Amino acid sequence: AQSVTQLDSQVPVFEEAPVELRCNYSSSVSVYLFWYVQYPNQGLQLLLKYLSGSTLVKGINGFEAEFNKSQTSFHLRKPSVHISDTAEYFCAVRPTGGGNKLTFGTGTQLKVEL
Amino acid sequence: DTAVSQTPKYLVTQMGNDKSIKCEQNLGHDTMYWYKQDSKKFLKIMFSYNNKELIINETVPNRFSPKSPDKAHLNLHINSLELGDSAVYFCASSQGGGDQPQHFGDGTRLSIL
Repeated sequence: AQSVTQLDSQVPVFEEAPVELRCNYSSSVSVYLFWYVQYPNQGLQLLLKYLSGSTLVKGINGFEAEFNKSQTSFHLRKPSVHISDTAEYFCAVRPTGGGNKLTFGTGTQLKVEL
Repeated sequence: DTAVSQTPKYLVTQMGNDKSIKCEQNLGHDTMYWYKQDSKKFLKIMFSYNNKELIINETVPNRFSPKSPDKAHLNLHINSLELGDSAVYFCASSQGGGDQPQHFGDGTRLSIL
């Protein structure tokens, strides 16, 4: 079984400041890792994913994430946030060995202020 | 064109009623899902179908019954609605599993009076 921990339920940040949203996972098997974003009253959209290869992955809207196998982490970063980045962010994992079950973290609310 | 569409967007009903939520995807995907998002935003998978075959059936009350008439549609029927069923229900689709991302609909907000 897999589990995903997003320790920060809320992260307030000023516009144009950098931000990091933390994600740690636990799994007895290797996993694919995903970050999704949910804007108010909308469904989830894929930001980026790590499948294999380079541990630094770039996604949409200027976001990037780094996979750290030894620390079982997949933190999301953006060097300069915009008001429009205000949303809920979800980290998720899925076993590489097959299966369709995506396990989500509890989400982090990013609130960008002027 | 909306990739994954759910209807209705809002559903307000009384305890004990039976209701259905419909989902359609036009992405040509072979796998569809239903998720429940509670008031704390926690997302939990309920069901998944691959080519009309049930492949994931989490611990969900049997009042919830999914139905997939074809691989582009996955409907969710709920009998005898309870207060605890109030949530946002999301439909999603993907091409297989593994490394393929899931595409989500905008959700159906179910409120039980």
